Amino acid sequence: NAGVTQTPKFQVLKTGQSMTLQCAQDMNHEYMSWYRQDPGMGLRLIHYSVGAGITDQGEVPNGYNVSRSTTEDFPLRLLSAAPSQTSVYFCASSYHGQGAGNYGYTFGSGTRLTVV
Amino acid sequence: EDQVTQSPEALRLQEGESSSLNCSYTVSGLRGLFWYRQDPGKGPEFLFTLYSAGEEKEKERLKATLTKKESFLHITAPKPEDSATYLCAVRRTGYSTLTFGKGTMLLVSP
Repeated sequence: NAGVTQTPKFQVLKTGQSMTLQCAQDMNHEYMSWYRQDPGMGLRLIHYSVGAGITDQGEVPNGYNVSRSTTEDFPLRLLSAAPSQTSVYFCASSYHGQGAGNYGYTFGSGTRLTVV
Repeated sequence: EDQVTQSPEALRLQEGESSSLNCSYTVSGLRGLFWYRQDPGKGPEFLFTLYSAGEEKEKERLKATLTKKESFLHITAPKPEDSATYLCAVRRTGYSTLTFGKGTMLLVSP
């Protein structure tokens, strides 16, 4: 049981480049979300999904795009990378409803992104 | 807007020295308060969910409690392996996502 798998683990981009951060889970979780973690800022929500075909914006969505065509995958796209997007990105998934509380949200190991 | 404030930002303890971490929250309809542990370079690891005031949960040397305005994570006789950042988060009723505090970095020295 792999849990939540994020790739790549590290990435360096030049300003203006685009890329996709991959997130896959094998637990049949309905909920998936993307957070970024910056020093002194805590975890902030970028985008989230409550099921395949349904996505919505979080607290800091600008410059990012998401789609969810399957239950398992929830990729995060950086459209035109900027130095302000240098951060550690975490994907998380959970069951819906009471299951989200009972079992918590499972996080991936993160992608450390540097934009130069 | 949901708000979560954790204190202290950092805490250094000697092995065996018990203490508590605080999480104050403001949320319109609490669906759950979550505690996570995060080790350097890793993703957060789920510890507990608390749902209502007066509830308590325990796991090894950790005990989490909840009131209507705050939650405490009590650490009894900590060991060096308890060193980590502890994160608190709330989930609002009707929402699927979490709002996190900035965390408390705990260092336990032998």
